[in-house]
Amino acid sequence: DQQVKQNSPSLSVQEGRISILNCDYTNSMFDYFLWYKKYPAEGPTFLISISSIKDKNEDGRFTVFLNKSAKHLSLHIVPSQPGDSAVYFCAASAPMSGGSNYKLTFGKGTLLTVNP
Amino acid sequence: DVKVTQSSRYLVKRTGEKVFLECVQDMDHENMFWYRQDPGLGLRLIYFSYDVKMKEKGDIPEGYSVSREKKERFSLILESASTNQTSMYLCASSSRDRDVTDTQYFGPGTRLTVL
Repeated sequence: DQQVKQNSPSLSVQEGRISILNCDYTNSMFDYFLWYKKYPAEGPTFLISISSIKDKNEDGRFTVFLNKSAKHLSLHIVPSQPGDSAVYFCAASAPMSGGSNYKLTFGKGTLLTVNP
Repeated sequence: DVKVTQSSRYLVKRTGEKVFLECVQDMDHENMFWYRQDPGLGLRLIYFSYDVKMKEKGDIPEGYSVSREKKERFSLILESASTNQTSMYLCASSSRDRDVTDTQYFGPGTRLTVL
């Protein structure tokens, strides 16, 4: 059962416009959410995160919104640039037994293409 | 700056061969992870380790084993490679202490092809 879902395999936007990537989760124990960006032939790189005690976190052009009641989060990129073209993974974590270690559960990713 | 390195970027092996993928991190992280990435399937956790000589199965451990003899090094072993293990393999590390900025840092990946 997929606990983190990214229902859009791909998204195409024009340069300068807003990109909105969506992510849904089912596990109510998740309390920390992250977005990673991955270029081909490279490892994923951390982009932005949000704790469940917040509903918004902003870092430059990137903003993540969290709606806990809907178990939904989204990543907004404004304005989109061609260099943003990559696969974006949503990830979530929940405390494991003992509370001291965590693992991430990833979605399947969304390929974002920003057209010049 | 966190650095996670993987021994090979590209690897070609034959069915039945024993394959070793090595990962080294330089940030004194307690946690290390091995994932595989396949098109349409995202990142799937194979094994992880929270301490030296300690290992835990992830979501898809079948056909794999791991070794963590030193804190900085985490090895993934394919005992008898099969064609369905052709994939991109990604190693990651993270601190044990979780705070609002905690995250996993990934290596560049190893593209393994099993013929």
